Amino acid sequence: NAGVTQTPKFQVLKTGQSMTLQCAQDMNHNSMYWYRQDPGMGLRLIYYSASEGTTDKGEVPNGYNVSRLNKREFSLRLESAAPSQTSVYFCASSGTGNEKLFFGSGTQLSVL
Amino acid sequence: RKEVEQDPGPFNVPEGATVAFNCTYSNSASQSFFWYRQDCRKEPKLLMSVYSSGNEDGRFTAQLNRASQYISLLIRDSKLSDSATYLCVVHDYGQNFVFGPGTRLSVLP
Repeated sequence: NAGVTQTPKFQVLKTGQSMTLQCAQDMNHNSMYWYRQDPGMGLRLIYYSASEGTTDKGEVPNGYNVSRLNKREFSLRLESAAPSQTSVYFCASSGTGNEKLFFGSGTQLSVL
Repeated sequence: RKEVEQDPGPFNVPEGATVAFNCTYSNSASQSFFWYRQDCRKEPKLLMSVYSSGNEDGRFTAQLNRASQYISLLIRDSKLSDSATYLCVVHDYGQNFVFGPGTRLSVLP
Protein backbone atom coordinates (compact mmCIF):
# COMPACT_ATOMS: atom_id res chain seq x y z
CA ASN A 1 0.00 0.00 0.00
CA ALA A 2 2.32 2.75 -1.30
CA GLY A 3 0.06 5.84 -0.94
CA VAL A 4 2.10 8.85 -2.10
CA THR A 5 5.58 8.12 -3.43
CA GLN A 6 8.02 10.98 -3.79
CA THR A 7 11.55 10.95 -5.22
CA PRO A 8 14.33 11.72 -4.60
CA LYS A 9 14.61 11.83 -0.81
CA PHE A 10 17.71 14.02 -0.85
CA GLN A 11 19.28 16.27 -3.48
CA VAL A 12 22.12 18.76 -3.56
CA LEU A 13 22.23 21.23 -6.45
CA LYS A 14 24.48 24.04 -7.48
CA THR A 15 22.95 27.43 -8.17
CA GLY A 16 21.54 27.47 -11.68
CA GLN A 17 21.10 23.72 -12.05
CA SER A 18 17.72 22.25 -12.84
CA MET A 19 15.91 19.24 -11.47
CA THR A 20 12.50 17.60 -11.31
CA LEU A 21 10.88 16.18 -8.21
CA GLN A 22 8.60 13.27 -8.96
CA CYS A 23 5.40 12.38 -7.16
CA ALA A 24 2.90 9.59 -7.73
CA GLN A 25 -0.14 8.43 -5.82
CA ASP A 26 -2.04 5.17 -6.12
CA MET A 27 -5.22 6.20 -4.26
CA ASN A 28 -7.08 7.47 -7.35
CA HIS A 29 -7.11 10.98 -5.86
CA ASN A 30 -8.13 13.93 -8.01
CA SER A 31 -6.18 16.63 -6.20
CA MET A 32 -2.43 16.81 -5.79
CA TYR A 33 -0.21 19.43 -4.17
CA TRP A 34 3.35 20.54 -3.77
CA TYR A 35 4.42 22.22 -0.54
CA ARG A 36 7.67 23.52 0.80
CA GLN A 37 8.49 23.63 4.49
CA ASP A 38 10.98 26.03 6.00
CA PRO A 39 11.87 26.41 9.69
CA GLY A 40 9.29 28.50 11.53
CA MET A 41 7.20 28.99 8.38
CA GLY A 42 4.95 25.97 8.30
CA LEU A 43 4.04 24.35 5.00
CA ARG A 44 3.46 26.73 2.11
CA LEU A 45 1.67 25.75 -1.06
CA ILE A 46 3.71 26.03 -4.25
CA TYR A 47 1.27 24.64 -6.84
CA TYR A 48 -1.72 22.39 -6.83
CA SER A 49 -3.75 20.40 -9.33
CA ALA A 50 -7.45 19.92 -8.71
CA SER A 51 -7.74 17.35 -11.48
CA GLU A 52 -5.84 15.82 -14.34
CA GLY A 53 -4.93 18.49 -16.86
CA THR A 54 -5.28 21.47 -14.52
CA THR A 55 -2.73 23.26 -12.38
CA ASP A 56 -2.90 26.42 -10.28
CA LYS A 57 -0.44 28.59 -8.44
CA GLY A 58 -0.28 28.51 -4.70
CA GLU A 59 1.28 30.93 -2.26
CA VAL A 60 4.91 30.66 -3.43
CA PRO A 61 5.03 29.60 -7.13
CA ASN A 62 7.93 31.73 -8.35
CA GLY A 63 10.87 29.71 -9.61
CA TYR A 64 8.84 26.52 -10.04
CA ASN A 65 6.85 24.77 -12.73
CA VAL A 66 4.59 21.75 -12.46
CA SER A 67 3.15 19.08 -14.70
CA ARG A 68 0.13 16.92 -13.99
CA LEU A 69 1.18 14.12 -16.30
CA ASN A 70 -1.86 11.96 -15.57
CA LYS A 71 -4.12 11.32 -12.63
CA ARG A 72 -1.37 9.55 -10.72
CA GLU A 73 1.62 11.80 -11.28
CA PHE A 74 2.41 15.42 -10.43
CA SER A 75 5.96 16.65 -10.91
CA LEU A 76 7.68 19.82 -9.71
CA ARG A 77 10.50 21.36 -11.72
CA LEU A 78 13.13 23.87 -10.70
CA GLU A 79 14.51 25.34 -13.92
CA SER A 80 17.34 27.35 -12.38
CA ALA A 81 17.83 26.53 -8.72
CA ALA A 82 18.59 29.32 -6.25
CA PRO A 83 19.80 29.08 -2.62
CA SER A 84 16.41 30.45 -1.51
CA GLN A 85 14.89 27.20 -2.76
CA THR A 86 16.77 25.20 -0.15
CA SER A 87 13.91 23.58 1.72
CA VAL A 88 12.03 20.37 2.40
CA TYR A 89 9.46 19.64 -0.29
CA PHE A 90 6.35 17.55 0.24
CA CYS A 91 3.94 16.20 -2.30
CA ALA A 92 0.41 15.43 -1.14
CA SER A 93 -2.90 14.23 -2.51
CA SER A 94 -6.54 14.27 -1.51
CA GLY A 95 -9.68 12.76 -2.96
CA THR A 96 -13.02 14.32 -3.82
CA GLY A 97 -15.29 14.19 -0.79
CA ASN A 98 -12.39 13.02 1.32
CA GLU A 99 -10.54 16.14 2.26
CA LYS A 100 -7.75 14.55 4.21
CA LEU A 101 -4.29 15.15 2.86
CA PHE A 102 -1.90 12.27 2.40
CA PHE A 103 1.77 13.15 2.15
CA GLY A 104 4.84 11.72 0.53
CA SER A 105 7.93 11.27 2.68
CA GLY A 106 9.53 14.51 1.51
CA THR A 107 12.58 15.68 -0.41
CA GLN A 108 15.34 17.53 1.37
CA LEU A 109 16.85 19.89 -1.20
CA SER A 110 19.97 21.97 -0.71
CA VAL A 111 21.05 24.56 -3.27
CA LEU A 112 24.62 25.72 -2.88
CA ARG B 1 -2.01 38.69 9.92
CA LYS B 2 -1.26 35.06 9.10
CA GLU B 3 -4.20 32.96 7.94
CA VAL B 4 -3.63 30.31 10.58
CA GLU B 5 -1.85 31.05 13.84
CA GLN B 6 -0.81 28.69 16.60
CA ASP B 7 0.79 28.88 20.04
CA PRO B 8 4.48 29.46 19.35
CA GLY B 9 5.77 26.78 21.72
CA PRO B 10 7.74 24.75 22.41
CA PHE B 11 5.78 23.03 25.13
CA ASN B 12 7.85 20.92 27.53
CA VAL B 13 5.66 18.81 29.80
CA PRO B 14 6.19 15.78 32.07
CA GLU B 15 4.70 12.42 31.24
CA GLY B 16 1.09 12.20 32.33
CA ALA B 17 0.43 15.92 31.98
CA THR B 18 -2.49 17.43 30.13
CA VAL B 19 -1.53 19.88 27.40
CA ALA B 20 -3.69 22.13 25.24
CA PHE B 21 -2.86 23.66 21.87
CA ASN B 22 -4.66 26.65 20.45
CA CYS B 23 -5.16 27.73 16.87
CA THR B 24 -6.96 30.67 15.26
CA TYR B 25 -7.83 31.19 11.61
CA SER B 26 -8.73 34.31 9.69
CA ASN B 27 -10.88 33.03 6.81
CA SER B 28 -14.46 32.81 8.03
CA ALA B 29 -15.38 30.81 4.90
CA SER B 30 -13.16 27.92 5.98
CA GLN B 31 -15.04 24.66 5.91
CA SER B 32 -12.88 21.90 7.31
CA PHE B 33 -10.39 21.74 10.10
CA PHE B 34 -7.72 19.25 11.05
CA TRP B 35 -4.88 18.55 13.39
CA TYR B 36 -1.82 16.92 11.87
CA ARG B 37 1.17 15.52 13.68
CA GLN B 38 4.67 15.81 12.29
CA ASP B 39 7.64 13.94 13.71
CA CYS B 40 11.13 15.33 13.18
CA ARG B 41 12.19 15.07 9.53
CA LYS B 42 9.02 13.17 8.61
CA GLU B 43 5.90 13.97 6.66
CA PRO B 44 2.80 15.32 8.42
CA LYS B 45 0.18 12.72 9.25
CA LEU B 46 -3.45 13.27 10.05
CA LEU B 47 -4.13 13.12 13.78
CA MET B 48 -7.81 13.98 13.68
CA SER B 49 -10.43 16.01 11.92
CA VAL B 50 -12.20 18.69 13.96
CA TYR B 51 -15.99 18.83 13.94
CA SER B 52 -18.31 21.58 15.11
CA SER B 53 -19.68 19.40 17.88
CA GLY B 54 -16.21 18.58 19.12
CA ASN B 55 -14.72 15.14 18.89
CA GLU B 56 -12.59 12.81 20.91
CA ASP B 57 -10.21 10.02 19.99
CA GLY B 58 -8.79 8.28 23.02
CA ARG B 59 -6.61 10.78 24.87
CA PHE B 60 -7.12 13.46 22.22
CA THR B 61 -9.99 15.96 22.15
CA ALA B 62 -10.52 18.57 19.46
CA GLN B 63 -12.85 21.54 19.67
CA LEU B 64 -14.00 24.07 17.09
CA ASN B 65 -15.56 27.46 17.77
CA ARG B 66 -16.66 28.90 14.44
CA ALA B 67 -17.87 32.19 15.94
CA SER B 68 -14.43 32.87 17.43
CA GLN B 69 -12.61 31.12 14.56
CA TYR B 70 -10.73 29.09 17.11
CA ILE B 71 -9.62 25.46 17.20
CA SER B 72 -8.10 23.56 20.09
CA LEU B 73 -6.44 20.22 20.73
CA LEU B 74 -6.24 18.71 24.20
CA ILE B 75 -3.93 15.80 24.99
CA ARG B 76 -4.54 14.00 28.27
CA ASP B 77 -2.11 11.69 30.08
CA SER B 78 0.67 12.61 27.65
CA LYS B 79 3.16 9.93 26.62
CA LEU B 80 6.77 10.20 25.51
CA SER B 81 5.57 9.11 22.08
CA ASP B 82 3.38 12.22 21.83
CA SER B 83 6.51 14.33 21.35
CA ALA B 84 6.12 15.91 17.91
CA THR B 85 5.04 19.10 16.20
CA TYR B 86 1.28 19.61 15.97
CA LEU B 87 -0.02 21.41 12.92
CA CYS B 88 -3.38 23.14 12.72
CA VAL B 89 -4.79 22.92 9.18
CA VAL B 90 -7.73 24.76 7.67
CA HIS B 91 -9.41 23.94 4.37
CA ASP B 92 -11.39 26.44 2.29
CA TYR B 93 -13.64 26.36 -0.79
CA GLY B 94 -10.66 26.97 -3.03
CA GLN B 95 -9.42 23.49 -2.22
CA ASN B 96 -6.46 24.97 -0.48
CA PHE B 97 -5.23 23.57 2.77
CA VAL B 98 -3.63 26.29 4.89
CA PHE B 99 -1.19 25.20 7.55
CA GLY B 100 -0.30 26.89 10.78
CA PRO B 101 3.39 27.08 11.69
CA GLY B 102 3.03 24.27 14.21
CA THR B 103 3.60 23.90 17.92
CA ARG B 104 6.35 21.61 19.11
CA LEU B 105 5.66 19.35 22.07
CA SER B 106 8.31 17.57 24.11
CA VAL B 107 7.07 15.11 26.71
CA LEU B 108 9.74 14.55 29.32
CA PRO B 109 10.26 11.39 31.44
